[in-house]
Amino acid sequence: NAGVTQTPKFQVLKTGQSMTLQCAQDMNHNSMYWYRQDPGMGLRLIYYSASEGTTDKGEVPNGYNVSRLNKREFSLRLESAAPSQTSVYFCASGPRGDSPLHFGNGTRLTVT
Amino acid sequence: EDQVTQSPEALRLQEGESSSLNCSYTVSGLRGLFWYRQDPGKGPEFLFTLYSAGEEKEKERLKATLTKKESFLHITAPKPEDSATYLCAVQSNDYKLSFGAGTTVTVRA
Repeated sequence: NAGVTQTPKFQVLKTGQSMTLQCAQDMNHNSMYWYRQDPGMGLRLIYYSASEGTTDKGEVPNGYNVSRLNKREFSLRLESAAPSQTSVYFCASGPRGDSPLHFGNGTRLTVT
Repeated sequence: EDQVTQSPEALRLQEGESSSLNCSYTVSGLRGLFWYRQDPGKGPEFLFTLYSAGEEKEKERLKATLTKKESFLHITAPKPEDSATYLCAVQSNDYKLSFGAGTTVTVRA
């Protein structure tokens, strides 16, 4: 049982480049989330999808877009990367909005 | 605005030396409080959910308790494998989830 799988694990981008972070879960969960984790700060919600076909902004959505491709997959796109987006990105899922979250192992992104 | 503050930021323990981690919170109606464990290079892993003041949950050497303003994670007789960062998160009645910055625990043999 793989749980939540994120790709890639590491990525280095130059300012202005674009990329998509991929996330897939095999637990048949309805809700999926994208967080970023920075040193000394709590996990901050970027976007979430309460169910297939819906997406909503979280606390820090600027500079990001998301797509809920189907029930399993939820991708995060950086259209024009900036150094402030250097962070560790985590995808998470849960059966419903008040459930504990299952996290992937993260994508470590550096923007130079 | 919901706030979650964890203390201390870092905790160094000798194997067998029990201690407690604190999670103080302000929230507009508590739906639930979650504890997670995060190992280096990994995503957070769920430990406990607490819903109301006075509730306690236990798992091996860990025990979580909840009051109206804070939660404690007690580590009894820790082992080196308990070394990790422990995250606290609170969910308000409108389902908003707020995470603390975590406490990094190092247990020396």
